Amino acid sequence: QQPVQSPQAVILREGEDAVINCSSSKALYSVHWYRQKHGEAPVFLMILLKGGEQKGHDKISASFNEKKQQSSLYLTASQLSYSGTYFCGTERDRGSTLGRLYFGRGTQLTVWP
Amino acid sequence: DADVTQTPRNRITKTGKRIMLECSQTKGHDRMYWYRQDPGLGLRLIYYSFDVKDINKGEISDGYSVSRQAQAKFSLSLESAIPNQTALYFCATSDLLGRGLEEQFFGPGTRLTVL
Repeated sequence: QQPVQSPQAVILREGEDAVINCSSSKALYSVHWYRQKHGEAPVFLMILLKGGEQKGHDKISASFNEKKQQSSLYLTASQLSYSGTYFCGTERDRGSTLGRLYFGRGTQLTVWP
Repeated sequence: DADVTQTPRNRITKTGKRIMLECSQTKGHDRMYWYRQDPGLGLRLIYYSFDVKDINKGEISDGYSVSRQAQAKFSLSLESAIPNQTALYFCATSDLLGRGLEEQFFGPGTRLTVL
């Protein structure tokens, strides 16, 4: 039930782009993205609904492909502050699991100057 | 002041001891969660509560119990701690956004070591 994230780790130079993927074998209602810096709590980035919605936050954007039950997080022109572990959380199609998230194992992103 | 607080922040205990981790929030949210984080495994849900009278098991509830004393307080207990419960524990709260979605706010975490 845990979504699968790929890659497990990414190393970038400042200014480079990265894509993090999240896929589920279950029908999804929404996908949530969080970032966790070392030694800190996860912090919310964005939520995407089924329907192929795409959202953006500064130079970080994401898409949700309902047919494939996949979401991708796009980090453009990465900054040092983007370093951390990125988690996707999936909310299954509404029903008994309303409001419950299943988190992936995380993707560790490291940005070097 | 932090909106979601956890006590203690660090705890070392011995196998077989009873441990309680506490979570308090000032955000006024109805929904509260307990997660466990292990290296390489992500966040796994232990228990969650959508209001004071509602308690639900998560993916890994065995060996744990919870108590929702008030809207603002949600405690996690390990009745008899064992070494493989050594982990980082997060409490989270959530609110509803627009179309029934929710952003979760996490506490700072409690690092528990069971010897």
